[in-house]
Amino acid sequence: GEDVEQSLFLSVREGDSSVINCTYTDSSSTYLYWYKQEPGAGLQLLTYIFSNMDMKQDQRLTVLLNKKDKHLSLRIADTQTGDSAIYFCAESEGNTPLVFGKGTRLSVIA
Amino acid sequence: GAVVSQHPSRVICKSGTSVKIECRSLDFQATTMFWYRQFPKQSLMLMATSNEGSKATYEQGVEKDKFLINHASLTLSTLTVTSAHPEDSSFYICSAYSGVNEQFFGPGTRLTVL
Repeated sequence: GEDVEQSLFLSVREGDSSVINCTYTDSSSTYLYWYKQEPGAGLQLLTYIFSNMDMKQDQRLTVLLNKKDKHLSLRIADTQTGDSAIYFCAESEGNTPLVFGKGTRLSVIA
Repeated sequence: GAVVSQHPSRVICKSGTSVKIECRSLDFQATTMFWYRQFPKQSLMLMATSNEGSKATYEQGVEKDKFLINHASLTLSTLTVTSAHPEDSSFYICSAYSGVNEQFFGPGTRLTVL
């Protein structure tokens, strides 16, 4: 079946950039998502990218997609303490259930 | 973006009781809703796909008689955990597919079974 892999932990200093990486196996993936989950809360959609795009930028967030290598990354510029959360990478073919990675816990050190 | 609500947000119940969780799409119609479960410090796992007007499709290992899903309208799906036990304690999250290639997630329901 489909699989999505992420590193489990990332620690950065406030003001630095954070890069969270994700790999996936499903070559039929059409949409790739990044979600943020704060403690005890639901999922917040940060951004998503279509598989025919290489890059998408939205304010402090930059998503890079290497479809050949099935590699997705999320870069957060000028990381703040409020960015501390778990970040989930997910993929779907559009109207199919999302397949999630295990999540990367981002810790921002002041 | 579109809004999906869940009710209740938190519920604590005694072992053996049944708990109903509602998932509503507030400003769009959702022919398909998905139910996920998230155990502490783990990722979301799909439990079932709920289609309006038809029976839900359950993932392997999810008991359909224990987790009853009813998608009675284009804006409401309910998940009933029957005869809940402590091992059912989890964070239950629904998502609704808007038909425009995007899913919107509810805020989740934290179930604690004593």
